[in-house]
Amino acid sequence: DVKVTQSSRYLVKRTGEKVFLECVQDMDHENMFWYRQDPGLGLRLIYFSYDVKMKEKGDIPEGYSVSREKKERFSLILESASTNQTSMYLCASSSGGVGYNEQFFGPGTRLTVL
Amino acid sequence: AQSVTQPDIHITVSEGASLELRCNYSYGATPYLFWYVQSPGQGLQLLLKYFSGDTLVQGIKGFEAEFKRSQSSFNLRKPSVHWSDAAEYFCAVGARSGGYNKLIFGAGTRLAVHP
Repeated sequence: DVKVTQSSRYLVKRTGEKVFLECVQDMDHENMFWYRQDPGLGLRLIYFSYDVKMKEKGDIPEGYSVSREKKERFSLILESASTNQTSMYLCASSSGGVGYNEQFFGPGTRLTVL
Repeated sequence: AQSVTQPDIHITVSEGASLELRCNYSYGATPYLFWYVQSPGQGLQLLLKYFSGDTLVQGIKGFEAEFKRSQSSFNLRKPSVHWSDAAEYFCAVGARSGGYNKLIFGAGTRLAVHP
């Protein structure tokens, strides 16, 4: 069964802390994505990666960075967390190639920044 | 710019009633269209997708969607709703940006089901 796992379901951090959100997929997918989900706004793409050590900015990259050192792992980093980064964070992966392949999602991490 | 609009934020239906969730998209070329469902505490799961061909697409859990180019719509339907269908539903369009493919999601429609 295909699986995308995220390191934490719930996380509480303080303003100014450095925060790491980890995502691991076991499907040997080339593509990995980080979204944030907010009520009334749907999912917005933060960063994505089409290959190891490769990253591309999504629609709302400000305040975030990412790391992909291994194919199966994609990390989202909040260098200095702020209260406006309180949100649900979803990781997804998909196979590569031409066209739009199905994205498989993890269960999400609900981050609260105090 | 590409966009997806889901006009209904919340919908409530009775169990056994029919359901239609609306989705309108803005995209210049032939769109790739998706419907995802998010059950409480879960990640998103793909219900169905449209790439080309027959405009009526069948998905999992008894859902179907119809692509209407003239109306720029991709509405999701189910003839008889079950209590377990209570969830949030997202419509998405595949878009090309900066040389890469990505999905653009609507804001979502939250479905409540009354017994």
